[in-house]
Amino acid sequence: QQQVKQSPQSLIVQKGGISIINCAYENTAFDYFPWYQQFPGKGPALLIAIRPDVSEKKEGRFTISFNKSAKQFSLHIMDSQPGDSATYFCAASTGLTGTASKLTFGTGTRLQVTL
Amino acid sequence: NAGVTQTPKFRVLKTGQSMTLLCAQDMNHEYMYWYRQDPGMGLRLIHYSVGEGTTAKGEVPDGYNVSRLKKQNFLLGLESAAPSQTSVYFCASSATYGTALSHEQYFGPGTRLTVT
Repeated sequence: QQQVKQSPQSLIVQKGGISIINCAYENTAFDYFPWYQQFPGKGPALLIAIRPDVSEKKEGRFTISFNKSAKQFSLHIMDSQPGDSATYFCAASTGLTGTASKLTFGTGTRLQVTL
Repeated sequence: NAGVTQTPKFRVLKTGQSMTLLCAQDMNHEYMYWYRQDPGMGLRLIHYSVGEGTTAKGEVPDGYNVSRLKKQNFLLGLESAAPSQTSVYFCASSATYGTALSHEQYFGPGTRLTVT
């Protein structure tokens, strides 16, 4: 049973455009929602994360929008650049303090930013 | 400061052979994790450890064993490899305390394993 559903599977965006990746979750106990970025041949790296007490978080060109009632969250990449071409994973976990962060990952979105 | 390192980077096994993947971290993190990454399935947690000498099962533990004899090392073992274990394996570590974002997991570069 997949607890975090991610779409689209792949995305092609022109340079300067907006990339949008969506995730939906089922477990209402999730309280931490990170996005990881992975380049080919590398391990994933944390890009940005949000907790459910805020509806939006922005870091540079990257923004997470969070809709608790709909159990959905999304990543927006503004002014997409070729260097943003990578695979993006959304994730969710419970237990922020005192316990291991057992992340449940989405299936990933391969983003290609063209010139 | 190397972060999280994994050895080996690549390995080919025949069905039934055994092997151990080594993960090491130099960030003094308490928590360590093993994931497998398969096309179209994201990353799935195999086993994890909340401290030296402790391990616990994740989402897909069958066919794997782990050990955490030293805080900085986390070993993943395959006793009798099967073709279904062909995958890319990632180790990660995280701290136990601090800000909410100390929840961040730091990943190693991965081990690509093929079982024929």
